[in-house]
Amino acid sequence: QLQLQESGPGLVKPSETLSLTCIVSGGSVTTTYGWDWIRQPPGRGLEWIATVFQGGTIYYNPSLNSRVTISVDTSENQFSLRLTSVTAADTAVYFCARRYCTGGICYFFDYWGQGNLVTVSP
Amino acid sequence: EIVLTQSPATLSLSPGERATLSCRASQSVSIYLAWYQQKPGQAPRLLIYDASNRATGIPARFSGSGSGTDFTLTISSLEPEDFAVYYCQQRSGWPLTFGGGTKVEIK
Repeated sequence: QLQLQESGPGLVKPSETLSLTCIVSGGSVTTTYGWDWIRQPPGRGLEWIATVFQGGTIYYNPSLNSRVTISVDTSENQFSLRLTSVTAADTAVYFCARRYCTGGICYFFDYWGQGNLVTVSP
Repeated sequence: EIVLTQSPATLSLSPGERATLSCRASQSVSIYLAWYQQKPGQAPRLLIYDASNRATGIPARFSGSGSGTDFTLTISSLEPEDFAVYYCQQRSGWPLTFGGGTKVEIK
């Protein structure tokens, strides 16, 4: 059974960099799926942040494009998110998720981590 | 960016009643729309993909329909565990986007 677990600090200061890691167990990040980050501000809806595919193709949400980096570490079987120059507006629960892909087409988010609340505050 | 608008924002119903949730896209997404359920403190759970396909393990009381710009999630008879927030999500274009959610609450 695939499991995803977010790891990272719960508190980040304004203007600093938010770094999160998603540890993947029960499966490999080298498979032909998409690996995603999604966030949810407290009491609000979901916002997709970024996707990385096994072949190295990456997509970012243009609203965050200049501040965000997603990467995969195959040796550690994990993938990561970096978000620079954070503000209070970046306070959210950050989820990592797998995007199911087959036959070259990617569909839905089928596995999710439990979420990691990151608060941006001095 | 494809904007998804969900309505109503809140649906107040009793167990056993039928729930009908709407998701409207700002442009055609064909059938490339999914529905998720989220309970407090939990990650979303996939219910329906590609407009009408139930995900593995999802009860038959959940059904989806629609294509193009108008989609519906129907819960035929609400069970106590169905009271939650529901989100639609499109995969037709980048960036991937979610609707704002519909909260189904106990009346």
